[in-house]
Amino acid sequence: DTAVSQTPKYLVTQMGNDKSIKCEQNLGHDTMYWYKQDSKKFLKIMFSYNNKELIINETVPNRFSPKSPDKAHLNLHINSLELGDSAVYFCASSQVSRETQYFGPGTRLLVL
Amino acid sequence: DQQVKQNSPSLSVQEGRISILNCDYTNSMFDYFLWYKKYPAEGPTFLISISSIKDKNEDGRFTVFLNKSAKHLSLHIVPSQPGDSAVYFCAARGSTLGRLYFGRGTQLTVWP
Repeated sequence: DTAVSQTPKYLVTQMGNDKSIKCEQNLGHDTMYWYKQDSKKFLKIMFSYNNKELIINETVPNRFSPKSPDKAHLNLHINSLELGDSAVYFCASSQVSRETQYFGPGTRLLVL
Repeated sequence: DQQVKQNSPSLSVQEGRISILNCDYTNSMFDYFLWYKKYPAEGPTFLISISSIKDKNEDGRFTVFLNKSAKHLSLHIVPSQPGDSAVYFCAARGSTLGRLYFGRGTQLTVWP
């Protein structure tokens, strides 16, 4: 009965590779988000989708591309991975964009 | 430019006593404030929130106080329990799009 789930939980890969992280929510929420928590522990928003439409797109390298096939899923694809991409990536969702956000367990990405 | 600041990276409290976690913000346009709790290897879990039109919100052992003139909020946990040991994130919401700004977090340790 997991509300917001992410796969994989851990991802170790080489520089230059392309990888995807998947997120699914079963809460019936309209809005989904991707956050990045860096080594300094700051949680920063990357993207937000409302009903499959991109509504927040922070200053993120265009190697990062979110894709929302439906309102229950928001995937994150990363091209040409770099060392600095190593972080924990959290997916979140909310009923509408201004309501409380609920987070997934995180995906720990390590780029070697 | 950190708009939400948690200046204490850690706090240690004895079981049964009060824990007070502090948070400061700089943007007077923030209209909603939230506290999240995070255990290791898990995503942040919503704990309690407060609207900018209120100065106090209580939920069981948790109370959040908001001082808008000082741009300061605090989370009180009474009585503290060992299970409360976690990282606590303060977050503030801007007026549009649901964007959340997070502090760096405070590690609370409650010892028996």
